[in-house]
Amino acid sequence: DVKVTQSSRYLVKRTGEKVFLECVQDMDHENMFWYRQDPGLGLRLIYFSYDVKMKEKGDIPEGYSVSREKKERFSLILESASTNQTSMYLCASSFVGPTGNTIYFGEGSWLTVV
Amino acid sequence: DQQVKQNSPSLSVQEGRISILNCDYTNSMFDYFLWYKKYPAEGPTFLISISSIKDKNEDGRFTVFLNKSAKHLSLHIVPSQPGDSAVYFCAASARNTGTASKLTFGTGTRLQVTL
Repeated sequence: DVKVTQSSRYLVKRTGEKVFLECVQDMDHENMFWYRQDPGLGLRLIYFSYDVKMKEKGDIPEGYSVSREKKERFSLILESASTNQTSMYLCASSFVGPTGNTIYFGEGSWLTVV
Repeated sequence: DQQVKQNSPSLSVQEGRISILNCDYTNSMFDYFLWYKKYPAEGPTFLISISSIKDKNEDGRFTVFLNKSAKHLSLHIVPSQPGDSAVYFCAASARNTGTASKLTFGTGTRLQVTL
C-alpha cells in the first residue's frame, strides 16, 4: 500500500506567520505534489516536483514555495500566511506507469489562518 | 479556464440503483483519466482509471466509460450503496506533453445514496 503521510492534520496560524507543511511518502515515487481543496473549486495544484531539488509551479503558486531535499519528503511553505490561504492542503505522490499517472494522496492538512 | 468540468455539483440516488457521474474535458491532449472518491476530512482515494486507447474499464461495481469524440467520460456505480456517499473527482492527464506527471481535476460531484 502506498503511504503518504502529512505531519499535521489541523493547524491554526496567525496572519503573517511562516507555515511549514511536511509530507513524506514511502513508495520511492519520483513525483510529489501539493494541492489545495476549496468548496466549489475542486483540487488545484500549487506546486509539484518530479525529482529531488526540482520543482515546477502549478496553477496557483502565488504565496507558496516548496522544498524537496530528499526524494521521500516534500514541504510546502507559506512565507507569510494570509486568511485566503485557509484551506485543506493535500500532498500526493506518483510515478508515471505504462498507461498513465496515478496520484496517491495523504490524509490532508486543515489550515486555518486567523 | 476549466479544462476538466463536472457540471453537476450534487447527485442523489436511491440505494440499489445506478449512479452516473459525468465529466467533460476540453484539452484534446488528455489521454489518461481517473476517478477519485473523497470523504470529508480525508484525502481523495483512487477509484478507477481509463486510458484513451479504451472506451470502457470495469472494476467490480464501478465502470468508467470514455467517449473521446465527445470529450466526455462517466462513472457508473451499480448497485449504489450508502457507503458510496462521497465527493467524486474526475481527473485527466496528458502523457506526451512533458507534463505527464500533472493531473488536472474537476470541481467534484457530491453523491448522496439514500436508503
